[in-house]
Amino acid sequence: DGGITQSPKYLFRKEGQNVTLSCEQNLNHDAMYWYRQDPGQGLRLIYYSQIVNDFQKGDIAEGYSVSREKKESFPLTVTSAQKNPTAFYLCATSGRGLRGNQPQHFGDGTRLSIL
Amino acid sequence: GQQVMQIPQYQHVQEGEDFTTYCNSSTTLSNIQWYKQRPGGHPVFLIQLVKSGEVKKQKRLTFQFGEAKKNSSLHITATQTTDVGTYFCAGRSNTDKLIFGTGTRLQVFP
Repeated sequence: DGGITQSPKYLFRKEGQNVTLSCEQNLNHDAMYWYRQDPGQGLRLIYYSQIVNDFQKGDIAEGYSVSREKKESFPLTVTSAQKNPTAFYLCATSGRGLRGNQPQHFGDGTRLSIL
Repeated sequence: GQQVMQIPQYQHVQEGEDFTTYCNSSTTLSNIQWYKQRPGGHPVFLIQLVKSGEVKKQKRLTFQFGEAKKNSSLHITATQTTDVGTYFCAGRSNTDKLIFGTGTRLQVFP
């Protein structure tokens, strides 16, 4: 979606290396999310943040870390503790609006592979 | 934990045939959203259903929310090659989390 920029588009990780995926938005949305998508699979929630300086673990947070120092930015770090990081990573945002009634808008994603 | 399942996992149809994907939740949902992901792309929001028994239409697409708010369906009439992609439902639980279904991948042969 226009307004959500994920970078890089492709990323390769060496053994024991931490890598950081960038997600920036100019939609002025409060909530931001990170999902992992494996080939032929659905989306699994890694972390989400509903407000600056606050974030919560999703269903598969182990081996990942995030920060939310600015409203526009929600970077995801894939740590060396994540043993199977090869996947398509999607960042999404949603507005505050009525509780739970806002659609999610997605970036173009980052494909991460192990070297 | 809460799960949202979709069937079928894959569907191949001839152009012009109809297509339906079904979404089932283990718990009651406050609302349900549908997304489409083209091959190599990212999910794009299609529609949201909130009321029990609600039916909404977008051109050749018909979306339905079950009476018990635990299931939903997406029906495409007379498929076209532009309909190719993976269709995901996403249910909102009472904890306000959005749970994505497993997706149905649609292939349309000309």
